[in-house]
Amino acid sequence: DIQMTQSPSSLSASVGERVTITCRASQGISNYVNWYQQTPGKAPKLLIFGASTVQPGVPSRFSGSGSGADFTLTISSLQPEDFATYYCQQTFVTPTFGQGTRVE
Amino acid sequence: QVTLRESGPALVKPTQTLTLTCTFSGFSLSATGMCVTWIRQPPGKALEWLARIDWDGDKFYSTSLKTRLTISKDTAKDQVVLTLTNMDPVDTATYYCTRAIMSAGVTASDQWGQGTLVTVSS
Repeated sequence: DIQMTQSPSSLSASVGERVTITCRASQGISNYVNWYQQTPGKAPKLLIFGASTVQPGVPSRFSGSGSGADFTLTISSLQPEDFATYYCQQTFVTPTFGQGTRVE
Repeated sequence: QVTLRESGPALVKPTQTLTLTCTFSGFSLSATGMCVTWIRQPPGKALEWLARIDWDGDKFYSTSLKTRLTISKDTAKDQVVLTLTNMDPVDTATYYCTRAIMSAGVTASDQWGQGTLVTVSS
């Protein structure tokens, strides 16, 4: 299986700050990465697919980049509703998720 | 409007077989590019992808669990069924079914059910 390693595991940030979360794959996976947001007690929500395409309805402050093995999710200006856990997922082969990054 | 709902037992005993049903509406699993996946999340832990069934009947399984998993679909009933054999306490988790769309080779779960918590205990 391809391992997805997210960093950091958690971070503290304030409203208005720029937040960057990285995800590294154990091998090259082209652009087959999705990003999800999960708030406590809720199902995850798709934010980004294909590494950089923003899901319709997702605020423009969310963006994704990367190709190969290194990927980034950026929140340009953190809002109160963005405090959540974020997961990357690769779908290059049998899908796997990263371990999550908690933004608090 | 797309909806998915998971149903099944909340409690199973070790060694038993878990059967979960995903009942969906708002899309057709016969349409090209449509898929249904199962994903689980142990309490306080990360997401784990389990299985996927595609519009054309293709099936895919988690590498570590493939000997225990079976996924099937009933297109007429708009349902997808997942079975997981030989349940163990480590299988305690919230189980989600999702709609996934495959486009240009990229597959992503854009709609999720609310999840169902399954506890494995004697």
